[in-house]
Amino acid sequence: DVKVTQSSRYLVKRTGEKVFLECVQDMDHENMFWYRQDPGLGLRLIYFSYDVKMKEKGDIPEGYSVSREKKERFSLILESASTNQTSMYLCASRPRGGIAREQYFGPGTRLTVT
Amino acid sequence: TQLLEQSPQFLSIQEGENLTVYCNSSSIFSSLQWYRQEPGEGPVLLVTVVTGGEVKKLKRLTFQFGDARKDSSLHITAAQTGDTGLYLCAGASGEGGSEKLVFGKGTKLTVNP
Repeated sequence: DVKVTQSSRYLVKRTGEKVFLECVQDMDHENMFWYRQDPGLGLRLIYFSYDVKMKEKGDIPEGYSVSREKKERFSLILESASTNQTSMYLCASRPRGGIAREQYFGPGTRLTVT
Repeated sequence: TQLLEQSPQFLSIQEGENLTVYCNSSSIFSSLQWYRQEPGEGPVLLVTVVTGGEVKKLKRLTFQFGDARKDSSLHITAAQTGDTGLYLCAGASGEGGSEKLVFGKGTKLTVNP
Protein backbone atom coordinates (compact mmCIF):
# COMPACT_ATOMS: atom_id res chain seq x y z
CA ASP A 1 0.00 0.00 0.00
CA VAL A 2 1.08 3.54 -0.72
CA LYS A 3 1.91 5.37 2.44
CA VAL A 4 1.96 9.15 2.64
CA THR A 5 2.64 10.57 6.06
CA GLN A 6 2.49 14.14 7.31
CA SER A 7 4.52 15.36 10.25
CA SER A 8 1.65 16.69 12.34
CA ARG A 9 -2.10 16.11 12.44
CA TYR A 10 -2.79 19.35 14.33
CA LEU A 11 -0.67 22.48 14.60
CA VAL A 12 -1.26 25.82 16.28
CA LYS A 13 1.03 28.72 15.38
CA ARG A 14 1.14 32.43 15.99
CA THR A 15 0.90 35.12 13.34
CA GLY A 16 4.32 35.88 11.87
CA GLU A 17 5.89 32.54 12.75
CA LYS A 18 7.69 30.48 10.12
CA VAL A 19 5.90 27.16 9.75
CA PHE A 20 7.20 23.92 8.24
CA LEU A 21 4.87 21.15 7.13
CA GLU A 22 6.58 17.91 6.20
CA CYS A 23 5.35 15.14 3.93
CA VAL A 24 7.01 11.78 3.30
CA GLN A 25 6.00 9.05 0.86
CA ASP A 26 7.42 5.55 0.73
CA MET A 27 6.54 4.52 -2.84
CA ASP A 28 9.33 6.19 -4.81
CA HIS A 29 6.83 8.53 -6.52
CA GLU A 30 8.24 11.29 -8.69
CA ASN A 31 5.35 13.70 -8.22
CA MET A 32 4.32 15.30 -4.95
CA PHE A 33 1.66 17.93 -4.27
CA TRP A 34 0.55 20.31 -1.56
CA TYR A 35 -3.10 21.40 -1.31
CA ARG A 36 -5.15 23.37 1.12
CA GLN A 37 -8.79 22.54 1.73
CA ASP A 38 -11.33 25.06 2.96
CA PRO A 39 -15.11 24.75 3.32
CA GLY A 40 -16.88 25.88 0.19
CA LEU A 41 -13.63 26.24 -1.75
CA GLY A 42 -12.61 22.62 -2.16
CA LEU A 43 -9.02 21.51 -2.69
CA ARG A 44 -6.71 24.16 -4.07
CA LEU A 45 -3.23 23.34 -5.34
CA ILE A 46 -0.44 25.35 -3.72
CA TYR A 47 2.69 23.82 -5.24
CA PHE A 48 3.77 20.60 -6.80
CA SER A 49 7.08 18.94 -7.56
CA TYR A 50 7.81 16.50 -10.37
CA ASP A 51 11.35 15.66 -9.33
CA VAL A 52 13.97 16.37 -6.71
CA LYS A 53 14.72 20.10 -6.54
CA MET A 54 12.01 20.79 -9.15
CA LYS A 55 8.84 22.67 -8.31
CA GLU A 56 5.98 24.41 -10.00
CA LYS A 57 3.47 26.90 -8.68
CA GLY A 58 -0.08 25.78 -8.35
CA ASP A 59 -3.16 27.97 -8.21
CA ILE A 60 -2.47 29.73 -4.88
CA PRO A 61 1.30 29.88 -4.20
CA GLU A 62 1.36 33.32 -2.56
CA GLY A 63 2.68 33.21 0.99
CA TYR A 64 4.10 29.71 0.59
CA SER A 65 7.33 28.10 -0.56
CA VAL A 66 8.38 24.47 -0.92
CA SER A 67 11.50 22.35 -0.70
CA ARG A 68 12.25 18.97 -2.21
CA GLU A 69 15.80 17.90 -1.40
CA LYS A 70 15.04 14.17 -1.41
CA LYS A 71 12.66 12.21 -3.57
CA GLU A 72 10.56 10.96 -0.67
CA ARG A 73 10.16 14.27 1.16
CA PHE A 74 8.28 17.43 0.18
CA SER A 75 8.10 20.33 2.61
CA LEU A 76 5.68 23.24 2.61
CA ILE A 77 6.90 26.44 4.23
CA LEU A 78 4.79 29.33 5.42
CA GLU A 79 7.34 32.14 5.55
CA SER A 80 5.28 34.33 7.88
CA ALA A 81 2.07 32.69 8.96
CA SER A 82 -1.12 34.71 8.77
CA THR A 83 -4.61 34.00 10.06
CA ASN A 84 -5.93 33.50 6.52
CA GLN A 85 -3.60 30.50 6.23
CA THR A 86 -5.62 28.63 8.84
CA SER A 87 -6.71 25.58 6.90
CA MET A 88 -6.44 21.85 6.34
CA TYR A 89 -3.24 21.06 4.43
CA LEU A 90 -3.07 17.90 2.37
CA CYS A 91 -0.03 16.31 0.77
CA ALA A 92 -0.33 13.84 -2.10
CA SER A 93 1.98 11.82 -4.31
CA ARG A 94 1.79 9.81 -7.53
CA PRO A 95 4.16 8.15 -9.96
CA ARG A 96 5.08 9.89 -13.19
CA GLY A 97 3.10 9.22 -16.35
CA GLY A 98 0.08 7.05 -17.03
CA ILE A 99 -3.37 8.13 -18.09
CA ALA A 100 -5.11 7.66 -14.77
CA ARG A 101 -3.06 10.10 -12.66
CA GLU A 102 -4.50 8.96 -9.33
CA GLN A 103 -3.06 10.77 -6.36
CA TYR A 104 -2.46 9.25 -2.94
CA PHE A 105 -3.10 11.54 -0.01
CA GLY A 106 -1.72 11.84 3.47
CA PRO A 107 -4.00 12.25 6.50
CA GLY A 108 -3.73 16.04 6.50
CA THR A 109 -2.48 18.70 8.88
CA ARG A 110 -5.03 21.02 10.41
CA LEU A 111 -3.19 24.29 10.94
CA THR A 112 -4.57 27.07 13.09
CA VAL A 113 -2.84 30.46 13.02
CA THR A 114 -3.79 32.74 15.91
CA THR B 1 -9.91 27.11 -16.96
CA GLN B 2 -11.30 23.63 -16.46
CA LEU B 3 -13.99 23.21 -13.83
CA LEU B 4 -15.77 20.23 -12.35
CA GLU B 5 -19.18 20.93 -10.86
CA GLN B 6 -20.50 18.46 -8.32
CA SER B 7 -24.13 18.14 -7.32
CA PRO B 8 -25.75 18.07 -4.94
CA GLN B 9 -23.44 19.89 -2.56
CA PHE B 10 -25.11 18.28 0.47
CA LEU B 11 -27.17 15.11 0.74
CA SER B 12 -28.77 13.65 3.85
CA ILE B 13 -30.58 10.33 3.53
CA GLN B 14 -31.74 7.39 5.61
CA GLU B 15 -29.92 4.09 5.74
CA GLY B 16 -31.13 1.77 2.99
CA GLU B 17 -31.94 4.49 0.46
CA ASN B 18 -30.31 4.79 -2.94
CA LEU B 19 -28.58 7.94 -4.16
CA THR B 20 -26.70 9.39 -7.10
CA VAL B 21 -24.18 12.21 -7.13
CA TYR B 22 -22.99 13.96 -10.24
CA CYS B 23 -19.78 15.47 -11.56
CA ASN B 24 -20.10 17.64 -14.66
CA SER B 25 -17.85 19.73 -16.85
CA SER B 26 -17.76 21.39 -20.24
CA SER B 27 -14.21 20.07 -20.68
CA ILE B 28 -13.03 16.65 -21.79
CA PHE B 29 -10.92 14.64 -19.36
CA SER B 30 -8.56 11.78 -20.13
CA SER B 31 -9.51 10.14 -16.84
CA LEU B 32 -11.61 10.82 -13.81
CA GLN B 33 -11.22 9.68 -10.22
CA TRP B 34 -13.61 9.48 -7.30
CA TYR B 35 -12.35 9.89 -3.74
CA ARG B 36 -14.04 9.62 -0.35
CA GLN B 37 -12.88 11.75 2.53
CA GLU B 38 -13.89 11.20 6.13
CA PRO B 39 -13.82 14.10 8.61
CA GLY B 40 -10.28 14.97 9.68
CA GLU B 41 -8.69 12.59 7.17
CA GLY B 42 -7.21 12.80 3.67
CA PRO B 43 -9.14 11.70 0.57
CA VAL B 44 -8.96 8.00 -0.28
CA LEU B 45 -9.13 6.88 -3.90
CA LEU B 46 -12.21 4.81 -4.72
CA VAL B 47 -11.99 4.34 -8.48
CA THR B 48 -10.55 5.65 -11.73
CA VAL B 49 -12.44 5.65 -15.04
CA VAL B 50 -10.63 6.28 -18.31
CA THR B 51 -12.88 5.19 -21.18
CA GLY B 52 -16.00 7.05 -22.31
CA GLY B 53 -19.08 5.08 -21.26
CA GLU B 54 -17.12 2.99 -18.77
CA VAL B 55 -18.97 1.58 -15.78
CA LYS B 56 -17.16 0.29 -12.71
CA LYS B 57 -18.65 -1.32 -9.64
CA LEU B 58 -17.21 -1.39 -6.14
CA LYS B 59 -19.59 -3.41 -3.96
CA ARG B 60 -22.68 -1.16 -3.63
CA LEU B 61 -21.05 1.75 -5.48
CA THR B 62 -21.43 2.13 -9.26
CA PHE B 63 -19.35 4.68 -11.15
CA GLN B 64 -20.00 5.79 -14.71
CA PHE B 65 -17.93 7.95 -17.06
CA GLY B 66 -19.94 9.83 -19.65
CA ASP B 67 -19.61 8.87 -23.31
CA ALA B 68 -18.01 12.21 -24.12
CA ARG B 69 -15.71 12.02 -21.07
CA LYS B 70 -17.08 15.30 -19.69
CA ASP B 71 -19.12 13.96 -16.80
CA SER B 72 -19.41 11.16 -14.30
CA SER B 73 -21.84 9.81 -11.75
CA LEU B 74 -21.61 7.80 -8.56
CA HIS B 75 -24.60 5.70 -7.54
CA ILE B 76 -24.84 4.08 -4.11
CA THR B 77 -27.35 1.32 -3.55
CA ALA B 78 -28.78 0.70 -0.10
CA ALA B 79 -26.63 3.30 1.63
CA GLN B 80 -25.08 2.49 4.98
CA THR B 81 -23.91 4.79 7.77
CA GLY B 82 -20.35 3.89 6.84
CA ASP B 83 -20.86 5.60 3.46
CA THR B 84 -20.99 8.97 5.22
CA GLY B 85 -18.28 11.30 3.98
CA LEU B 86 -17.25 13.87 1.41
CA TYR B 87 -17.18 12.49 -2.13
CA LEU B 88 -14.79 14.25 -4.49
CA CYS B 89 -14.38 13.83 -8.21
CA ALA B 90 -11.14 14.81 -9.92
CA GLY B 91 -10.25 14.95 -13.59
CA ALA B 92 -6.97 14.71 -15.48
CA SER B 93 -6.91 16.87 -18.57
CA GLY B 94 -4.22 15.12 -20.53
CA GLU B 95 -3.02 18.45 -21.86
CA GLY B 96 0.74 18.69 -22.36
CA GLY B 97 1.42 15.90 -19.93
CA SER B 98 0.20 17.99 -17.02
CA GLU B 99 0.31 16.13 -13.75
CA LYS B 100 -2.30 18.33 -12.15
CA LEU B 101 -5.84 17.24 -11.36
CA VAL B 102 -8.95 19.39 -11.42
CA PHE B 103 -11.06 18.74 -8.31
CA GLY B 104 -14.74 19.30 -7.78
CA LYS B 105 -15.80 20.87 -4.49
CA GLY B 106 -17.41 17.67 -3.32
CA THR B 107 -20.72 16.23 -2.20
CA LYS B 108 -21.11 15.87 1.55
CA LEU B 109 -23.15 12.74 2.20
CA THR B 110 -24.74 11.95 5.55
CA VAL B 111 -26.41 8.57 5.97
CA ASN B 112 -28.63 8.52 9.03
CA PRO B 113 -29.39 5.29 10.94
